[in-house]
Amino acid sequence: ELKVEQNPLFLSMQEGKNYTIYCNYSTTSDRLYWYRQDPGKSLESLFVLLSNGAVKQEGRLMASLDTKARLSTLHITAAVHDLSATYFCAVEGSNAGKSTFGDGTTLTVKP
Amino acid sequence: DADVTQTPRNRITKTGKRIMLECSQTKGHDRMYWYRQDPGLGLRLIYYSFDVKDINKGEISDGYSVSRQAQAKFSLSLESAIPNQTALYFCATRPSDRDTQYFGPGTRLTVL
Repeated sequence: ELKVEQNPLFLSMQEGKNYTIYCNYSTTSDRLYWYRQDPGKSLESLFVLLSNGAVKQEGRLMASLDTKARLSTLHITAAVHDLSATYFCAVEGSNAGKSTFGDGTTLTVKP
Repeated sequence: DADVTQTPRNRITKTGKRIMLECSQTKGHDRMYWYRQDPGLGLRLIYYSFDVKDINKGEISDGYSVSRQAQAKFSLSLESAIPNQTALYFCATRPSDRDTQYFGPGTRLTVL
């Protein structure tokens, strides 16, 4: 059974600081997705990572995938208040066609 | 117009009632999913469908059933609702494996 663990679950940071969210998973996979959820809203896609060493960047967010370590990271650079949200990683087993989600990391960026 | 719609958006019902949540999409995707989200938790998969004739149970299918009426429509039913089915329910679609999922706005269900 595929298990996905995110840490930290809660993160409070000051504007301008850098931080990393970690997503560990238990079985072999080369398909990992990051989503963002604003309070009371739905999920929107941030990144799709489909190979070992994949790196994607959008604005102040950068995601990477290390399939050998079964680890993905979401790095936040110079955080701003608009990045406050809950971030989920989702991992898909090979040929499974379905994803297992982590419990999410709730990020609060304070002035 | 939204690509993935869910109705109703909010529903309050009583224990033992039958409830249907509906999902429609205009994206032309074959794959559709139903998830539930509980406070402080990630999404858990209830059912998923790769096409009209291919429906599969997810990790928490007990107490739920689904119907894929057409490529664009995927409905979730609670045959006899119970309070621990109170949650936020999301429908999602995707075009194929190795693609991201596109989520509907969610249905907030409360079972009293």
